Amino acid sequence: AQSVTQPDIHITVSEGASLELRCNYSYGATPYLFWYVQSPGQGLQLLLKYFSGDTLVQGIKGFEAEFKRSQSSFNLRKPSVHWSDAAEYFCAVGNDKIIFGKGTRLHILP
Amino acid sequence: KAGVTQTPRYLIKTRGQQVTLSCSPISGHRSVSWYQQTPGQGLQFLFEYFSETQRNKGNFPGRFSGRQFSNSRSEMNVSTLELGDSALYLCASSTTGGPDTQYFGPGTRLTVL
Repeated sequence: AQSVTQPDIHITVSEGASLELRCNYSYGATPYLFWYVQSPGQGLQLLLKYFSGDTLVQGIKGFEAEFKRSQSSFNLRKPSVHWSDAAEYFCAVGNDKIIFGKGTRLHILP
Repeated sequence: KAGVTQTPRYLIKTRGQQVTLSCSPISGHRSVSWYQQTPGQGLQFLFEYFSETQRNKGNFPGRFSGRQFSNSRSEMNVSTLELGDSALYLCASSTTGGPDTQYFGPGTRLTVL
């Protein structure tokens, strides 16, 4: 069955610290991969996407993600978080229908 | 370029009623997808319309339906509302649909009492 797993429901990091949000997927073929961010009361904003090519993808707001086919993972990283990064992050995969993970809520300590 | 707009933003209904939600995609986008977001189930795909035709459908009962007009605007209808239908309904548009980048609207918050 197709699925997306974000194992961390909540993550808390200090402002200025590095961040890694995990995403693993189960899919028949290599799907298209996305990371979205959702701030309270808002819709989803695309951070980055991977279709093919270089497995290290750069996105907006200083985020990057690395596709690892052997691990079926697409982890999101940021070298130094800002208080404004506090939000919920969703990993998504799919070719025709997009499947979302349950999300990881990021909390930032001042 | 204006983003995806959804109306209304908030809605309160009672069980058994029906509701219609509207989504206006970004100009030039022909694909509109709908998602239901709840704390328990997360984001779930409802259906996708492309050029007035339903192209993909998620695993929701027939009470959930939609349509798309010639100007690409889309409506979603839920009949015989249940308490469990309370959710944030998100609409996303893209140029061609499928894995193409989807741009999301702010959502309609539906509360069923």
